[in-house]
Amino acid sequence: KQEVTQIPAALSVPEGENLVLNCSFTDSAIYNLQWFRQDPGKGLTSLLLIQSSQREQTSGRLNASLDKSSGRSTLYIAASQPGDSATYLCAVSSGTYKYIFGTGTRLKVLA
Amino acid sequence: DAGITQSPRHKVTETGTPVTLRCHQTENHRYMYWYRQDPGHGLRLIHYSYGVKDTDKGEVSDGYSVSRSKTEDFLLTLESATSSQTSVYFCAITPDPAGPQHFGDGTRLSIL
Repeated sequence: KQEVTQIPAALSVPEGENLVLNCSFTDSAIYNLQWFRQDPGKGLTSLLLIQSSQREQTSGRLNASLDKSSGRSTLYIAASQPGDSATYLCAVSSGTYKYIFGTGTRLKVLA
Repeated sequence: DAGITQSPRHKVTETGTPVTLRCHQTENHRYMYWYRQDPGHGLRLIHYSYGVKDTDKGEVSDGYSVSRSKTEDFLLTLESATSSQTSVYFCAITPDPAGPQHFGDGTRLSIL
């Protein structure tokens, strides 16, 4: 059974710092992996999706990498800003329709 | 933002009552999903739909049923609500299960 873990559960950094969020999964036979952002009281916003054949995806200050063999993905945020404060979740699809989510990393960027 | 509306946004009800949550989309996407989000568990898939009248179970489907009679509406029903079903419920849609999912803003359901 696929399990997805995100460590740490919470993180505080000063504004301007580059940071890395981690996601690990137990079964390397994945379809794709998504990173989401969730603001309090809101739904999830898809940030980046990496197909199983890809190694990384970039969007603006965000870069996500995927290493299937080690069961890991990282989300790199460059030059963090207070507006980046949110919970970041990763989700892995091991089958056609179903995603397994991690419990998220709650990020706070201090001004 | 993808056109997804969940209703109601908040609901408080009593144990044993039936509850129906609605997800309405204006994107004409084929795939729709219901998740619940609980502290310490993250999001867990309840049911999903891959077309009108085509649905299947997720990992936490016990106590829930769904229906999809039109492309735009996906209903989640708790036939007899229990306190363990107190949660935040999210609907998601996508035109392609290999592509990104788009989420509604959620329904906060409290069962007393």
